[in-house]
Amino acid sequence: KQEVTQIPAALSVPEGENLVLNCSFTDSAIYNLQWFRQDPGKGLTSLLLIQSSQREQTSGRLNASLDKSSGRSTLYIAASQPGDSATYLCAVGLAYGNNRLAFGKGNQVVVIP
Amino acid sequence: DGGITQSPKYLFRKEGQNVTLSCEQNLNHDAMYWYRQDPGQGLRLIYYSQIVNDFQKGDIAEGYSVSREKKESFPLTVTSAQKNPTAFYLCASSMAPGTYEQYFGPGTRLTVT
Repeated sequence: KQEVTQIPAALSVPEGENLVLNCSFTDSAIYNLQWFRQDPGKGLTSLLLIQSSQREQTSGRLNASLDKSSGRSTLYIAASQPGDSATYLCAVGLAYGNNRLAFGKGNQVVVIP
Repeated sequence: DGGITQSPKYLFRKEGQNVTLSCEQNLNHDAMYWYRQDPGQGLRLIYYSQIVNDFQKGDIAEGYSVSREKKESFPLTVTSAQKNPTAFYLCASSMAPGTYEQYFGPGTRLTVT
């Protein structure tokens, strides 16, 4: 069974610092990996999707890398802002599961002004 | 605007009553999904549907039922058999099963007392 881990569960950084969030997964047989943002009481907003054949994806201040062989992905957020405060969720698309996603529990981020 | 709508945002029910959560999408997506989110846990898949009139159980289907009579609609019924129904329910859709990005609705918070 695919296990997805995000450590630490919560972190605080001062405004302007770069954020580095890590995601690890146990089974390298994945279709893709998706990073989401969730604000309190809200749904999930897709940030980046990395296909299994890709090494990274970038969107604005966000960059996500994927190392399938080692079962890791990293989300970088450059020059963090208070508006980046949210929970960030990592999800892997299961190769055997009809686009089913296995989710980590998330990194709760607070950016301190 | 294209997107996924879920209604209502908050729902309160007495124990022993069935309740149906609505999910509608106008993205012309073939696949739709229902997830449950509990504090401190990752999202867990309840049911998913790849095409109209077809659906499959996810990891925690007991006590839930779904239908997929129209492409744009995927309602979830929480039955009285669900032992712990209080949770945040999220609906998602994707273009097709496989390597496609999943998009999420705003969620419905169900409280059963």
